[in-house]
Amino acid sequence: GIQVEQSPPDLILQEGANSTLRCNFSDSVNNLQWFHQNPWGQLINLFYIPSGTKQNGRLSATTVATERYSLLYISSSQTTDSGVYFCAVLHNAGNMLTFGGGTRLMVKP
Amino acid sequence: ETGVTQTPRHLVMGMTNKKSLKCEQHLGHNAMYWYKQSAKKPLELMFVYNFKEQTENNSVPSRFSPECPNSSHLFLHLHTLQPEDSALYLCASSQSSGGPSATDTQYFGPGTRLTVL
Repeated sequence: GIQVEQSPPDLILQEGANSTLRCNFSDSVNNLQWFHQNPWGQLINLFYIPSGTKQNGRLSATTVATERYSLLYISSSQTTDSGVYFCAVLHNAGNMLTFGGGTRLMVKP
Repeated sequence: ETGVTQTPRHLVMGMTNKKSLKCEQHLGHNAMYWYKQSAKKPLELMFVYNFKEQTENNSVPSRFSPECPNSSHLFLHLHTLQPEDSALYLCASSQSSGGPSATDTQYFGPGTRLTVL
């Protein structure tokens, strides 16, 4: 099946800093989503972005489908950004969303 | 209620108990999903239902039994679980599921944190 790798696995930031999270995938995809899982376990959909660039406030994402990666940018980070960020993809030939291992982010005040 | 809701939020059960997890979506979606999230592991898809029909069973043991009576409700019936089944169980929904043209965004519920003693 398709492999999804996220980096870095862990990230500690000072409030106000910027960061870039990366998601690499091993095959062509129809669907790529970024999620934020807060400390209480809730998974929040951030972006649906199989290709191109999208922005939502301090967050933006870019997917380069031909090179099989996606980036999530967090600018001016806040403590409420803490949690785990997951990338998930749907393989072109598949029927199941496959998740990466996540990047655990801690933003310190 | 809006979005995807799950009950209970926390559940502690013994290995001989029978319990059920409930998921309800208020988004008018046709596909619903059960995921399992164990400590230090990626999210694992368990089951997919599309228009009330099960379309995926990701090699889940029979002690987990899903039920989808309609497009808005999804249950996970649990019996004779093992301690290693302790995990966060997440439900999600989307407009439809799968296929080469799938472009749907999945929306997740808050999860049920299950502990098996």
